[in-house]
Amino acid sequence: DIQMTQSPSSLSASVGDRVIITCRASQNIRSYLDWYQQKPGQAPKLLIYAASTLQSGVPSRFSGSGSGTDFTLTISSLQPEDFATYYCQQSFSTPYTFGQGTKLEIK
Amino acid sequence: QVQLQESGPGLVRPSETLSLTCSVSGASLNSDKYYWSWIRQSPGKGLEWIGYVYYNGNSNHNPSLRSRVIISRDTSKNQFSLMLSSVTAADTAVYYCARESRVVGRAYYFDYWGQGALVAVSS
Repeated sequence: DIQMTQSPSSLSASVGDRVIITCRASQNIRSYLDWYQQKPGQAPKLLIYAASTLQSGVPSRFSGSGSGTDFTLTISSLQPEDFATYYCQQSFSTPYTFGQGTKLEIK
Repeated sequence: QVQLQESGPGLVRPSETLSLTCSVSGASLNSDKYYWSWIRQSPGKGLEWIGYVYYNGNSNHNPSLRSRVIISRDTSKNQFSLMLSSVTAADTAVYYCARESRVVGRAYYFDYWGQGALVAVSS
């Protein structure tokens, strides 16, 4: 299985901050990397697919980059509704696997 | 508007079979554009992909679950189902159904999810 490792596991930030979350794959997954946001009691929500394509309806302050094994999710200016847990997921091969999550908390 | 809704028992006895159904509206299970997946989330293991079924009935599942998983679909009802046999406490989780969309050769992603169904395994 392809292992996905996110860092940091948790992060404290303030409204207006720029935040970067990283995700590393244990092998080359080209650009088959997706990012999800999950709030308590809710299902994950797709933010970005194919490493850098913004899902329809997702604010432009979210962006993704990377290919191969190293990827980043950037939130350019944190808004109150962005405090949540973020997951990366590889869709290069089955079994699809997720990172362990990054919990973004208010400082 | 695409919507998915899980249904099934919230409590299953150890060694028995967990059965869940996902009802889909706003999209057809007969379409070759999508794959229909089950994903679970537990505190101990995070998010885990269980498997998917395709419009033609072909399925694929996570080898970690060995041969305990069956995923099937009923196109007449626009539903797909999960059966997980010989459950233990480790199978306690929130179970999500989700639609996987594909851009061939470029991207696969879960763009619609159900709200999730909590299933506890306990005697």
